[in-house]
Amino acid sequence: GAGVSQTPSNKVTEKGKYVELRCDPISGHTALYWYRQSLGQGPEFLIYFQGTGAADDSGLPNDRFFAVRPEGSVSTLKIQRTERGDSAVYLCASSLTGTPYNEQFFGPGTRLTVL
Amino acid sequence: GIQVEQSPPDLILQEGANSTLRCNFSDSVNNLQWFHQNPWGQLINLFYIPSGTKQNGRLSATTVATERYSLLYISSSQTTDSGVYFCAVARVSNDMRFGAGTRLTVKP
Repeated sequence: GAGVSQTPSNKVTEKGKYVELRCDPISGHTALYWYRQSLGQGPEFLIYFQGTGAADDSGLPNDRFFAVRPEGSVSTLKIQRTERGDSAVYLCASSLTGTPYNEQFFGPGTRLTVL
Repeated sequence: GIQVEQSPPDLILQEGANSTLRCNFSDSVNNLQWFHQNPWGQLINLFYIPSGTKQNGRLSATTVATERYSLLYISSSQTTDSGVYFCAVARVSNDMRFGAGTRLTVKP
């Protein structure tokens, strides 16, 4: 079956602009996660959705970052007033249910470059 | 939060050689996964292994939960095994904590 998909694969924007990154999880997976990976490092957790609600947003770096999942499937990560330090690969993952016991599956990522 | 340490940070092998990658973690976990990040950045699931031993072809993994470590074995390495190998763990919350990875280069 289809895996986690993310669009766009690459996004180049200018400092101060607004961007949206989209994630389409594996069909039937109720839990969805966003991570951010900077060059040479492992992914870092941003936010976790169980269904439509954000169950844990403790990893969001500041209030310029926001994510939604209005129908419990597709999610959008929104970044306002982008800064050069936001440049990274943004990864989305999904799991069957929202417990730590479930295996997480990752999408190919969106590479964001802020000029 | 949980600390995850991977070793070695870099590993260079000749094709056909075997290797062992290690992941140490600082607390008990309910989820441990090994991933291979290919040169295009895709994280590929290798093993879901919070405890015990699993094998998949040339790869196998063992997690000794009581001693807080996991090992990933790669036998008869191939050039396509090159990339970064990540260990990630989760305890009570769902956010997975990743190690810094082991960068493997397999030379022909």
